[in-house]
Amino acid sequence: AAGVIQSPRHLIKEKRETATLKCYPIPRHDTVYWYQQGPGQDPQFLISFYEKMQSDKGSIPDRFSAQQFSDYHSELNMSSLELGDSALYFCASSIRDRGQSEAFFGQGTRLTVV
Amino acid sequence: KQEVTQIPAALSVPEGENLVLNCSFTDSAIYNLQWFRQDPGKGLTSLLLIQSSQREQTSGRLNASLDKSSGRSTLYIAASQPGDSATYLCAVWTTSGTYKYIFGTGTRLKVLA
Repeated sequence: AAGVIQSPRHLIKEKRETATLKCYPIPRHDTVYWYQQGPGQDPQFLISFYEKMQSDKGSIPDRFSAQQFSDYHSELNMSSLELGDSALYFCASSIRDRGQSEAFFGQGTRLTVV
Repeated sequence: KQEVTQIPAALSVPEGENLVLNCSFTDSAIYNLQWFRQDPGKGLTSLLLIQSSQREQTSGRLNASLDKSSGRSTLYIAASQPGDSATYLCAVWTTSGTYKYIFGTGTRLKVLA
């Protein structure tokens, strides 16, 4: 079965550079979520999109932006990178179906800022 | 605001022991609760998903229970093995506001051979 695909799997950037992370949800899933997991931390919710519209926003820095495209894939754009942005970034997808839904997670993108 | 806590934060046990990991959440308005395993530097592996209408789920040596009214879930691991060493995360699918998972603080498990 198709899973959530994230690319790239690993990314190394220098401070003040820009990074773009991509997420391809499971086919027919209409909602995408982004999470950030710092070293030794639990995953923290950043932002979510439903039907290409932002549906919720968590602790996402102003330097970050994201969008969901017409094919439902999503991109997380991170500018003016800081050392503290080094983390594992997860994407998840779901079908909005009240009461029965769950989210499926990708394998993550490991971003290292040097 | 939903908060998810896991106890203990770390656990070290000899091989063969049965063990219990605890997860508590402050808002009982959840659709489901999921237990994940995470190896160092790796992604999340889903272990068990319990819907809010269910009391428990079992998979092999793993059994997860859910008591929504008291805001608690436990993950029971029978006959632990060194290969079980990992961080275990619980996450609740919240119904308050918009849909998303809220993760617990994790339990780092080490099973000694």
